[in-house]
Amino acid sequence: KNQVEQSPQSLIILEGKNCTLQCNYTVSPFSNLRWYKQDTGRGPVSLTIMTFSENTKSNGRYTATLDADTKQSSLHITASQLSDSASYICVVSEGPKYGGATNKLIFGTGTLLAVQP
Amino acid sequence: DSGVTQTPKHLITATGQRVTLRCSPRSGDLSVYWYQQSLDQGLQFLIQYYNGEERAKGNILERFSAQQFPDLHSELNLSSLELGDSALYFCASSVEVRRGPRDTQYFGPGTRLTVL
Repeated sequence: KNQVEQSPQSLIILEGKNCTLQCNYTVSPFSNLRWYKQDTGRGPVSLTIMTFSENTKSNGRYTATLDADTKQSSLHITASQLSDSASYICVVSEGPKYGGATNKLIFGTGTLLAVQP
Repeated sequence: DSGVTQTPKHLITATGQRVTLRCSPRSGDLSVYWYQQSLDQGLQFLIQYYNGEERAKGNILERFSAQQFPDLHSELNLSSLELGDSALYFCASSVEVRRGPRDTQYFGPGTRLTVL
């Protein structure tokens, strides 16, 4: 069964500190992996998208890594800010099985990050 | 602001009723996706439409249906509502270049459905 698991479930850090969120997946065939940031009660916002050939992708203070061999990804947040408090969701796109494009996405349950002053 | 609009913002109804949620994609986006997010669960992909045609189906119940109209807006119809259908329903849109699943999905603000 295609699954995406994230850890930790929740995390509290002090403003200015760094943190790393983990994502393990068993999705096959694999197309790409995305990290989203979702503020409470709002729609998710895309941070990064990576295919299997990409090891790392940065977006400002956010850096995502991907190890397609071990099926693991991480999201590193540098110099955290209060506005980073949100849920971070790892999403894996199932690849096309018979050559056609598909955007079936499997969502992790997210890591809830709280940045405290 | 993602450019995706959803109406209504909040909806309160009773069990057994039927509701329609509406989504307008970003200008130029041909693909629309619907997601359900319950309190104790992550986002669940329901269904995708591309230029008016159903493209992919996720965990959508038979009581739910959707369509995308010629002007590209989409509606999600939920019928015979149950308490467990209470959730946030998100719509997302993307350019969705054919055979290009890497394009970014832009999410709307969501519709919060409460079934009493």
